[in-house]
Amino acid sequence: AQSVTQLGSHVSVSEGALVLLRCNYSSSVPPYLFWYVQYPNQGLQLLLKYTTGATLVKGINGFEAEFKKSETSFHLTKPSAHMSDAAEYFCAVSVGGGGFKTIFGAGTRLFVKA
Amino acid sequence: DGGITQSPKYLFRKEGQNVTLSCEQNLNHDAMYWYRQDPGQGLRLIYYSQIVNDFQKGDIAEGYSVSREKKESFPLTVTSAQKNPTAFYLCASSMRGSYEQFFGPGTRLTVL
Repeated sequence: AQSVTQLGSHVSVSEGALVLLRCNYSSSVPPYLFWYVQYPNQGLQLLLKYTTGATLVKGINGFEAEFKKSETSFHLTKPSAHMSDAAEYFCAVSVGGGGFKTIFGAGTRLFVKA
Repeated sequence: DGGITQSPKYLFRKEGQNVTLSCEQNLNHDAMYWYRQDPGQGLRLIYYSQIVNDFQKGDIAEGYSVSREKKESFPLTVTSAQKNPTAFYLCASSMRGSYEQFFGPGTRLTVL
């Protein structure tokens, strides 16, 4: 069975600093991987996704993630944090069968300090 | 604009009452989902539906019921059998065969 682990329920960075949110997954078959962002009292919005092909994936708002099969990781990065990046971020994994096979991590709340 | 709407945004219920949460989409998506979100626990799947008039239980279906009479609509009823219903509920949809889900804005249910 697949699973997702997000390291760190809270991450705090200064404005302009590197953002690194960690995600490790467990899957017996090649996974599809996602990062979603959630602002307070709102739904989730897709940031980026990995399905096949290039392992470095670029998403919206300057975020990117790299699929590393050997490390079973899909960490999310952004070179320079902005105050508007403060939100909760969810890593998710799907393994065939459609969206109902999607497992979400517990989430990482990102704080950005001025 | 295409999207998913959920209503109401905030809902208060007395213990022992059933309540229905609305979810409508105009994306022409076949699949629809209901998730429950609690602090620190991510999203947990309650029910999902891949086609009209068909739906399956997710990981935490006890105390909930759904219907899928129209492609656009997937209402969720929280029954009095749900022991701890206070939570944030999210509806989502996806195209057939796609793993990317589109989410509504959510409904926050509070049981008084």
